[in-house]
Amino acid sequence: GESVGLHLPTLSVQEGDNSIINCAYSNSASDYFIWYKQESGKGPQFIIDIRSNMDKRQGQRVTVLLNKTVKHLSLQIAATQPGDSAVYFCAENRDTGNQFYFGTGTSLTVIP
Amino acid sequence: DGGITQSPKYLFRKEGQNVTLSCEQNLNHDAMYWYRQDPGQGLRLIYYSQIVNDFQKGDIAEGYSVSREKKESFPLTVTSAQKNPTAFYLCASSLPDRGRYGYTFGSGTRLTVV
Repeated sequence: GESVGLHLPTLSVQEGDNSIINCAYSNSASDYFIWYKQESGKGPQFIIDIRSNMDKRQGQRVTVLLNKTVKHLSLQIAATQPGDSAVYFCAENRDTGNQFYFGTGTSLTVIP
Repeated sequence: DGGITQSPKYLFRKEGQNVTLSCEQNLNHDAMYWYRQDPGQGLRLIYYSQIVNDFQKGDIAEGYSVSREKKESFPLTVTSAQKNPTAFYLCASSLPDRGRYGYTFGSGTRLTVV
């Protein structure tokens, strides 16, 4: 999984398999989380969000799980497709204002 | 369509020059941000602005300057004092209320020192 300051983690999956991308966050006061997808040479795009009063949230082919006990967030992508190849970031909104704090990201490569 | 536009997409700077990166949004967002992205690292906050004519330094503001004269615009100047400016620069905007709806990002400007 990703963590601030480490080399960018990578994940390779076969097309059609499920992908799980992990993120550890640092601040127990964080109460809103977002997963972003960034394709090469482009800006990050919103994928899915979750608030701290939830453990799980589902979107189209994506699910985010939040474990507040261990401060862990995961993104599950079902039936991964080549178009899912990108860098995925988690972002946490801490109780200090309007800012989000980003992890280093995980690079996902889908093998056809 | 509403969105956030960064220009130029690619920018080359000579040693000792100042350059300005443009960021314009038509989303009617109050807050705007500048991030720097280096390979293998997360996004690092340079400057942010919650309202017109007001802005605050982020984690790596040294060597950069900004202005917020209009709600729609938040240009970033990379000055000659920034010793390692080669990076991918991202502008973002959001609604207030602690950014509850997340950021909308521009497509980025890649700055290279030549």
